[in-house]
Amino acid sequence: AQKVTQAQTEISVVEKEDVTLDCVYETRDTTYYLFWYKQPPSGELVFLIRRNSFDEQNEISGRYSWNFQKSTSSFNFTITASQVVDSAVYFCALSEARFGNEKLTFGTGTRLTIIP
Amino acid sequence: DTAVSQTPKYLVTQMGNDKSIKCEQNLGHDTMYWYKQDSKKFLKIMFSYNNKELIINETVPNRFSPKSPDKAHLNLHINSLELGDSAVYFCASSPPGLAGDDEQFFGPGTRLTVL
Repeated sequence: AQKVTQAQTEISVVEKEDVTLDCVYETRDTTYYLFWYKQPPSGELVFLIRRNSFDEQNEISGRYSWNFQKSTSSFNFTITASQVVDSAVYFCALSEARFGNEKLTFGTGTRLTIIP
Repeated sequence: DTAVSQTPKYLVTQMGNDKSIKCEQNLGHDTMYWYKQDSKKFLKIMFSYNNKELIINETVPNRFSPKSPDKAHLNLHINSLELGDSAVYFCASSPPGLAGDDEQFFGPGTRLTVL
């Protein structure tokens, strides 16, 4: 069975600080996909990134970066120079590459608060 | 030009009632899902449909019955509502392609409150 663990329940940082959100996953599959979603206070779920298990290259998108390490089953998310608009709940999720079972298994989320 | 829409956005009802939540996507996707987010923000899959066929039923009580009249719609009907059904329900859709690879597009959510 697949599982996603986000050990950090809540994080608060002062604006402009860097912050890293941790994600550790478990799966028996060799092919799988990892995702990050953002849920701002307004409640919608916003897609941030998708990564497949064969692509361990780190990715940077503006102030956001992701570090994928298969050796430690981790897919961590870093926000550089945080801003108040980054305040949200962030979810890491895992999907298996199995037709008919494309559900997302979510972690419990990390609530990030950026203090102005 | 909303991609995945849900109605209603808020639903307040009494225990024991029957209610429905509607979901429509205009993205031409084949697969649609229902997720439940509880009061602790935990998100869990309930159902998925591919081209109107039920694919995943994640041990959801029989009181919950999804219905897909066509591949653009996936409605959720709930009978005999209980207090524990209070949650935010999200509909999502994803395009055909490599299994598991595709981004799921989420609707805005329906906040159900059972009194």
